[in-house]
Order: sequence, then C-alpha cells, then structure tokens
Amino acid sequence: GQQVMQIPQYQHVQEGEDFTTYCNSSTTLSNIQWYKQRPGGHPVFLIQLVKSGEVKKQKRLTFQFGEAKKNSSLHITATQTTDVGTYFCAAPAGNNRKLIWGLGTSLAVNP
Amino acid sequence: KAGVTQTPRYLIKTRGQQVTLSCSPISGHRSVSWYQQTPGQGLQFLFEYFSETQRNKGNFPGRFSGRQFSNSRSEMNVSTLELGDSALYLCASSLGTWEEGYEQYFGPGTRLTVT
Repeated sequence: GQQVMQIPQYQHVQEGEDFTTYCNSSTTLSNIQWYKQRPGGHPVFLIQLVKSGEVKKQKRLTFQFGEAKKNSSLHITATQTTDVGTYFCAAPAGNNRKLIWGLGTSLAVNP
Repeated sequence: KAGVTQTPRYLIKTRGQQVTLSCSPISGHRSVSWYQQTPGQGLQFLFEYFSETQRNKGNFPGRFSGRQFSNSRSEMNVSTLELGDSALYLCASSLGTWEEGYEQYFGPGTRLTVT
C-alpha cells in the first residue's frame, strides 16, 4: 500500500543547531500535513501544504512541498529546547479516503 | 471552546476481555478519527466517522469496531483483547474531511494496557 517514508527516525542536536526532517512518497500527494507531538502529549497540527513547490514559514520553522509533490521537509532554524518532540507528516492515501502517517522524527535538543 | 476529550485516560484489562473507549469531539466537528499509537509503529489509522457514517477503515481485524452518535460523540470497541492491543488510542476530530484540508485536533488519548 501507499507509504510515506520519514527520515531520520531520530535526531539529537545541540541547542542553536538547525534540524531538518524529510517525508518521501513514491506517489504524488494531493497535500501533506505536519504535526508535532511533545513527549507524553498528543499530536498537534502545525501546517498543511497543498501547492507544488510551496514554502511556508512559522517563525523558525520552514515547511516545503516538493515540485513533484512527492516529498516534503520541515526545517527548524536555531533549535530550542521547546522544539523537543516527534514531528510527523501525514498525507491522504491514493484514494484520498485515508490519511497515512510517517513514522515520525524524534528530536532531542541538548541545552 | 473545549478541546477533544477522551475517556477513560488509562485502562488496564486482561486478555480476552473487551473494552469501550469514548471520544467527545470539539463542538461543531463532524469528523472523528481513531488511531492506535505504539512505539516504533507510529500512528496507525483505525477508522473515521463523518455524520454517523464510517467513511474509512484501516487494516485492523474485526475485533476493532466503532460508531458515531448523532451528537458526533464516538466510541470504539475492542473485543477479545490481545497483549498486542496495548497502546495509546488517540481520537481526532475535525470540521470536515482531510481531503477538504481540515486539520485534525487530537485528544489526550486513552492508554490501554492488556495483561
């Protein structure tokens, strides 16, 4: 079945370093959503990307949707300890009736 | 506006028993989705309900079932519990469907432990 591959699985950075997580699909995606889950918490919606080549920014977070709409990335500039958590991407499956999720990238930040 | 609520928050059951989990979506939200989250497996989609109708079902055995009431509240039931059913069960509500671009709001989850 359709899958969304998310890499890396884990990332450990020093506070102030940048961080990037990637989601890749073998098929074209109609849109992609990003969520953040803090340790012990539940996923919280961050953003949705719809257009080919779309770039959206939220303060230190930059989200990109590839030109072919098969991949997406989330980049955090100058990480802070508040960025700790697992970042998930999610996209509709081929028939658009199911939302499939990447396995997430767990970010740890050393102060 | 109150967020998504799930009850109970924690549950311990033994193998072979059944369990019912409840989810109250945000007021006005008509779509409710259920997910199973386990370490290493991420979020596994169980099913989605929209206006009392099941729109989608994930690849889970028939022991997993659900329903949605006219007030959009939803329940999921797991019968004949197995050890592997131990997980965090998350409910998410949204105004509409994800094809329409609506984001999902998650509840705190129910932590189910099967012994």
